This record gives sequence, structure tokens and C-alpha cells, in this order.
Amino acid sequence: ETGVTQSPTHLIKTRGQQVTLRCSSQSGHNTVSWYQQALGQGPQFIFQYYREEENGRGNFPPRFSGLQFPNYSSELNVNALELDDSALYLCASSPSTGLMNTEAFFGQGTRLTVV
Amino acid sequence: AQTVTQSQPEMSVQEAETVTLSCTYDTSENNYYLFWYKQPPSRQMILVIRQEAYKQQNATENRFSVNFQKAAKSFSLKISDSQLGDTAMYFCAFTKAAGNKLTFGGGTRVLVKP
Repeated sequence: ETGVTQSPTHLIKTRGQQVTLRCSSQSGHNTVSWYQQALGQGPQFIFQYYREEENGRGNFPPRFSGLQFPNYSSELNVNALELDDSALYLCASSPSTGLMNTEAFFGQGTRLTVV
Repeated sequence: AQTVTQSQPEMSVQEAETVTLSCTYDTSENNYYLFWYKQPPSRQMILVIRQEAYKQQNATENRFSVNFQKAAKSFSLKISDSQLGDTAMYFCAFTKAAGNKLTFGGGTRVLVKP
């Protein structure tokens, strides 16, 4: 088991609401990436944070936003939830940006259901 | 943009036998990394094996080995002596050498039967 923890594990929200998901990165890791995994599909890159700055973004609308804190933990915020936002949200941490190729560790994810 | 394709939605194998999962990718990069991740019902992505594109030798990790064909942009995973605990979704993934994101395929469900 990795040292990456995500909370909550499950969440149910109503369309139009806002949600915040949290991720604590593994000790010594300053880079956090977020992925969305729809049911039956592979994960899709949302964005990455490195030393509290966004460092790359996938094809997701601005209502998906994030933060990284001085302790390198991170939040994913989604505004104006839509039914299609229902998915497993995965957080991955690595020691440094550019090292996703060797040492990315994933958390167990947050299962978000939008009704 | 890079793409990763896994053409087998589901594979089943008898315990102790061998199964091979296919993966193809498309990229214009010359230096990159390829991975196979396992995702059991617990949902956590676990790295199974990794291959650097500049290495000709195929990576092996215990019962897991890959067949990396750079010219064909093919990266298959062989699971030998399959165990019940190998039952999971398997994802092939790509990243550029200094990249900051993983690009995943759609996954292959592996069911190991007793």
C-alpha cells in the first residue's frame, strides 16, 4: 500500500452542487496529479500541481480546479456538477515533476456519484 | 498527442497458465516510458512493470514480462504462472521522458479461474 491517501472514499452529490476532494501525497513527494476514471474506462489526466503551482492540464473545463498546499497535499474542486462527472477520481504523487515516468504512486480514489 | 490502445476488453486464463495482454501506442516522441498498471477491486493503481524506450532489453519483474517492439509501437504484457490474485483490470500507460502526465489505455479485465 502506498502512502497516498484520499478522502472521502465515496461521495454522492446533486447536479449543480460543488464538491471538494482531498489528497495527501506520499512523504517527500512535491508533485500531485489528478485523474478522472469513468466507469469501464482508463484514467484521464485532469491536471498536475508542483510546488503549489499548476503544471499542466488535460482537456477539462475550468469548473475543474485545484490547489496544492505548502505541505504538498492537494484538493480537487468541481463546480456546477454534471451527471457525467460521476467517476472515480484518482490522485497520484511523485517526488518531482518529470518523474511521473518512474515513481508515481496512486491513492485508492474517491468514487463520486452525481444524481 | 499520444494515444494508447488496448484491443482486448477481457481475457480469462486458468490458474498456473500464461496470458498475454496487448497494447499499442502512437507517439512522435523518441524517448518515453511505458507501463503496465494493475487495478484490483480495491481501486488502487499498482505499478506492475515499466519499460524505458531507449532500452532494447525487455523488462521483467518476477512472473511479469513485456515484449517491447519500438518500431511497431507495441508493448504487450505476459503474465506467467497466473495466480488468483492476478484477477484485476490491467492498464497500459505512456509518458514522455520528461512528461508530467500518464496517458492510459482503456484497460483489459483479466480473470484467473481456479
